Amino acid sequence: AQSVTQPDIHITVSEGASLELRCNYSYGATPYLFWYVQSPGQGLQLLLKYFSGDTLVQGIKGFEAEFKRSQSSFNLRKPSVHWSDAAEYFCAVGDQSWGKLQFGAGTQVVVTP
Amino acid sequence: GAVVSQHPSWVICKSGTSVKIECRSLDFQATTMFWYRQFPKQSLMLMATSNEGSKATYEQGVEKDKFLINHASLTLSTLTVTSAHPEDSSFYICSAYPGSANSPLHFGNGTRLTVT
Repeated sequence: AQSVTQPDIHITVSEGASLELRCNYSYGATPYLFWYVQSPGQGLQLLLKYFSGDTLVQGIKGFEAEFKRSQSSFNLRKPSVHWSDAAEYFCAVGDQSWGKLQFGAGTQVVVTP
Repeated sequence: GAVVSQHPSWVICKSGTSVKIECRSLDFQATTMFWYRQFPKQSLMLMATSNEGSKATYEQGVEKDKFLINHASLTLSTLTVTSAHPEDSSFYICSAYPGSANSPLHFGNGTRLTVT
């Protein structure tokens, strides 16, 4: 069965500092991987996705993620965070681009001045 | 880009009543939609897969008679919480598939249900 682990429940980062959110997955075949962001009381916005090809993917809002098959990881990074990046971030895995997704528990990001 | 609209965005109802939540794909047709539930400070849990013109497929542990799903058209799926109880209070989110190759799911903004 597929599963997703986000080891960090909560991360506090200073504005302008770099951010890295960890995501590890367990999946038998080549996974479809996603990062979503959720603001309070809102739905999910897709930041980026990995289906195949280049293992470093660029997303919206200056985010990028790297797929590392050997480590079963898909960590999300941003070189310099903005106060507006404060939100909940979810990593998800699926067996196709549009199918059912298994979500991680989420990481709450707090940005301090 | 593809837009998914949910209505209402929040609803308060009394225990024992039923509540209907709509999920619409505004600029694309969606043969498949998904319904998720999210408890406070927790992740999203898939409740069911909604297929246009056929019965929904429910995940293990989800009561199909409690959470009625209807996908009567290619742009609309509804989730009805029947005989709601306070423990049904949650954030419900739908997602829809635009249908083009390698296109990911698009999510609605969610519905906050509070049962008093």
